[in-house]
Amino acid sequence: DADVTQTPRNRITKTGKRIMLECSQTKGHDRMYWYRQDPGLGLRLIYYSFDVKDINKGEISDGYSVSRQAQAKFSLSLESAIPNQTALYFCATSDAGSGTGELFFGEGSRLTVL
Amino acid sequence: GQQVMQIPQYQHVQEGEDFTTYCNSSTTLSNIQWYKQRPGGHPVFLIQLVKSGEVKKQKRLTFQFGEAKKNSSLHITATQTTDVGTYFCAGPITSGTYKYIFGTGTRLKVLA
Repeated sequence: DADVTQTPRNRITKTGKRIMLECSQTKGHDRMYWYRQDPGLGLRLIYYSFDVKDINKGEISDGYSVSRQAQAKFSLSLESAIPNQTALYFCATSDAGSGTGELFFGEGSRLTVL
Repeated sequence: GQQVMQIPQYQHVQEGEDFTTYCNSSTTLSNIQWYKQRPGGHPVFLIQLVKSGEVKKQKRLTFQFGEAKKNSSLHITATQTTDVGTYFCAGPITSGTYKYIFGTGTRLKVLA
């Protein structure tokens, strides 16, 4: 089983709909992140959380919100989806106690907004 | 804001040829990480460099961190088809933090 699990893996929705992408992890890491991947643009940081009571905006937070329901769960919401939010979304975790800050990624959630 | 750029964006090589991707930051980085993403997969951590001028090797992969800590490179010797994928560098937004921003990536294709 994957250590970082994202649901759904694929989702097609319409403009204006509310969408939630969920991420859960069994690695026991404190830090969790949401990234968005678009061709030619690499991975861009949307939000990150260093513990349950800590939420921070990343590079491109407009149009997104997050919730850290527990140490193991970090959800990303699009309150009113628009077509330019069509992308591949990755959740990632890292260990506060590691020396490298290595990021562990989930398998990704592909979102299409029509 | 801080930017991390990579060149080239794409590279096609014949199997057995060498490959290099370059990463350049607009600001000094406290460290730099490299990730590999196979087609259809997710990024996987390869290595972290911390010291100015640092060079690390992993089999056929050689990673360098520039003296000014604003650039880095990944060199693959004698590419194999298993090297196919996109290579990303990533640096912390703010020195000493764990908020990483990623470079634009270099997509490598290896022709057998």
